[in-house]
Amino acid sequence: DIQMTQSPSSLSASVGDRVTFTCRASQGISNSLVWFQQKPGKAPKSLIYRASTLQSGVPSKFSGSGSGTDFTLTINSLQPEDSATYYCQQYNSYPLTFGGGTRVEIK
Amino acid sequence: EVQLVESGGGLVQPGGSLRLSCGASGFTFSSHWMSWVRQAPGRGLEWVASVSEDGSQKHYVDSVRGRFTISRDNAKNSVHLQMDSLRAEDTAAYYCARGQAHEYCGQGTLVTVSS
Repeated sequence: DIQMTQSPSSLSASVGDRVTFTCRASQGISNSLVWFQQKPGKAPKSLIYRASTLQSGVPSKFSGSGSGTDFTLTINSLQPEDSATYYCQQYNSYPLTFGGGTRVEIK
Repeated sequence: EVQLVESGGGLVQPGGSLRLSCGASGFTFSSHWMSWVRQAPGRGLEWVASVSEDGSQKHYVDSVRGRFTISRDNAKNSVHLQMDSLRAEDTAAYYCARGQAHEYCGQGTLVTVSS
């Protein structure tokens, strides 16, 4: 099974900051990676697929990069509504696996 | 607009069964893999099962293989998850999702396994 490791597990940043967090796969997954945002009590929402392609309707402040084993999600100009947990998931092979999440808090 | 609406959750005793359903609209259902993803209270996301466009291919996470069965009805734009021999650790919100990249998720249905 492919293990997905996200870091950090949580971070706190100020409004207007640029934040970046990472996701590492235990083996190469090409660009078969998706990033989700999940707010408390809500369903996960897809932000980026194929590692760097923005999902329709998602603001361009979100961007993704990486290929192989190392991936990053960047949020520009952090806003209060960006407070959420962010998950990565690989869909290169079964079983599909998620990272443990990065919780983003606004100072 | 893509819509996925789950139903069928509830409280069930250990060893019992439940059948979850998901109705889909806003896209060509028969052209997409469909999946179920779950989230135990206070925990992260876990993929459960996926079914191919025509239903011929099915994949399961090890912890549910042999107990859960995913199926689909392309005529009714619906996907189902039959859950048998339920355990306390199956307690979770279950989300229906489109595709293997889960590009769209429903709002979820809660399954509680408890005596």
